[in-house]
Amino acid sequence: DIVMTQTPLSLSVTPGQPASISCKSSQSLLHSDGKTYLYWYLQKPGQSPQLLIYEVSNRFSGVPDRFSGSGSGTDFTLKISRVEAEDVGVYYCMQSIQLPPTFGQGTRLEIK
Amino acid sequence: EVQLVESGGGLVQPGRSLRLSCTASGFTFGDYAMSWVRQAPGKGLEWVGFIRSKAYGGTTEYAASVKGRFTISRDDSKSIAYLQMNSLKTEDTAVYYCTRVSAFTRLDYWGQGTLVTVSS
Repeated sequence: DIVMTQTPLSLSVTPGQPASISCKSSQSLLHSDGKTYLYWYLQKPGQSPQLLIYEVSNRFSGVPDRFSGSGSGTDFTLKISRVEAEDVGVYYCMQSIQLPPTFGQGTRLEIK
Repeated sequence: EVQLVESGGGLVQPGRSLRLSCTASGFTFGDYAMSWVRQAPGKGLEWVGFIRSKAYGGTTEYAASVKGRFTISRDDSKSIAYLQMNSLKTEDTAVYYCTRVSAFTRLDYWGQGTLVTVSS
């Protein structure tokens, strides 16, 4: 199975400041079709996960543009340009280039 | 609006069976694969398995941890996906989420989850 490793596992951010989460995969997520199958999810407290970013850098419907994704191959980053109170929760990266789809351990974001 | 509603969770003894349902609305259910993901208490996310749409054979794939014990099926006429769980173990205790699968691999919409507790 592909192992997804996130860092940091937790971060505390002042509202209005940026935040960044790293995700590294044990194998390249670049498929022969040219797509890279890396996703980012946010699980807000008491809620189910919601899709933020698909295929590295595409924001899902309704996701604010303060969220952005980047990276290639095995190294990926989720950035929040200006953190807001509603961004608290646990962020997960996920790969689906290979079965089984696997998730990172999660990164807990809290507001200072 | 896409909606997924899981049901059927509860307390069950080890070795027993349980069937979860995922009722979908707001999209053409038969056009999509459906997946199940679980989350043990206080833990991260674990993919359980998925079922392809009938257009792609309606075939299934499972995580190694549940293969041979869990079965995913679908009833497109009712817009429901099922997760039949047999020979349950204490380590199967988790919130089970159903998700829609877009573009073959994107888990784009998630239900609210249903809690399964396996305990004697």
